[in-house]
Amino acid sequence: DAGVIQSPRHEVTEMGQEVTLRCKPISGHNSLFWYRQTMMRGLELLIYFNNNVPIDDSGMPEDRFSAKMPNASFSTLKIQPSEPRDSAVYFCASSLAVRRSRNTQYFGPGTRLTVL
Amino acid sequence: AQKVTQAQTEISVVEKEDVTLDCVYETRDTTYYLFWYKQPPSGELVFLIRRNSFDEQNEISGRYSWNFQKSTSSFNFTITASQVVDSAVYFCALSVGNAGNMLTFGGGTRLMVKP
Repeated sequence: DAGVIQSPRHEVTEMGQEVTLRCKPISGHNSLFWYRQTMMRGLELLIYFNNNVPIDDSGMPEDRFSAKMPNASFSTLKIQPSEPRDSAVYFCASSLAVRRSRNTQYFGPGTRLTVL
Repeated sequence: AQKVTQAQTEISVVEKEDVTLDCVYETRDTTYYLFWYKQPPSGELVFLIRRNSFDEQNEISGRYSWNFQKSTSSFNFTITASQVVDSAVYFCALSVGNAGNMLTFGGGTRLMVKP
């Protein structure tokens, strides 16, 4: 079975440009999470969706960041405009959220974003 | 609020040594889950194990074993007879039962196994 798929794997862009990261969760999973990993702050949850609905976006750094999940098999994380401090590895993870069970999150390979 | 502390930022061992990675967690919830993930140099995050708060049985999987102790809020991970391929960053994480499965990660422990 395919795991979580993320694209692109690497993105290099210039400050001010729009960046869109994409994620396809594991088929059948109903929760999707976006994380950011940096040396300074470690792994941070940005936002998560349950059944395509954003549940908690308190981790989204600022208005430049937005995330959507138009259907159960696709999500995007957009940064507009991008800044050098957004450089990080962005992970998408999915899980099957059944109450108090089977809630393991499986991670995609990540997108390494470099903003020059 | 939840918190996970991995006090060891970096550990270096020689191949075949046993090594224990420490994880201490904080939560007021009585229902919670603890996880370990491995991040090898290639960068992906690989799930290793999940335990729930009602099951304090220790677990062994090959050379890996986990010691869960609620009395000390710890969930330590031991690798027996370490190998070079075990070199990675290991993350301990916590999710509470009613928080939508959100994970709180520790800062990670970088394990270097030298031949």
